[in-house]
Amino acid sequence: EVQLVESGGGLVQPGGSLRLSCAASGFTLSGYWMHWVRQAPGKGGKGLVWVSRINSDGSTTTYADSVKGRFTISRDNAKNTLYLQMNSLRADDTAVYFCTREFAMWGQGTLVTVSS
Amino acid sequence: DIQMTQSPSSLSASVGDRVTITCRASQGLGTDLGWFQQKPGKAPKRLIYGASSLQSGVPSRFSGSGSGTEFTLTISSLQPEDFATYYCLQHNTYPYTFGQGTKLDIK
Repeated sequence: EVQLVESGGGLVQPGGSLRLSCAASGFTLSGYWMHWVRQAPGKGGKGLVWVSRINSDGSTTTYADSVKGRFTISRDNAKNTLYLQMNSLRADDTAVYFCTREFAMWGQGTLVTVSS
Repeated sequence: DIQMTQSPSSLSASVGDRVTITCRASQGLGTDLGWFQQKPGKAPKRLIYGASSLQSGVPSRFSGSGSGTEFTLTISSLQPEDFATYYCLQHNTYPYTFGQGTKLDIK
């Protein structure tokens, strides 16, 4: 089955770190640019926010200002997996994080909660 | 950053109605715009890419139009499964930005 599956979310204290993974199956990740998008929780859900992108071979990356210097996107094409290393986490980073293949295919999301 | 102003923010409609949602960009995008549908607890699903191209598998009652700074998503005849939240996304300039969403519910 062609799919993306995120993992690595959970509860972390402010200032802590977490690494999200996005495992691709049924297709070769190396052919695609990948993105992370997040959505803060709330009644009915809050809006979608683009977080970061990486090109197909991992040589270039781009970040939203809100995460620049704290988050690092990377990929291991041999393992068919995308990552998001999140450091210096803040309460306003609390969200469901989705990985997406060029916005045409999405994972189910993983919840990150930053709270003491 | 490019601001995407989506309207309306909410909309009540009936099965069979024709519905139009608009996104206005603060600067020109060409046709670098997509439309997404999201249901509660689910990932977004792309409906339209390149402003007007229908994603494979998406019903033909969905259509997109526009270029530059004004874009529309039209649902020609609402079906029960269409009640959801809709977002536009500009992918012309980083940081990519979404509209704030339109919640479509049953009248």
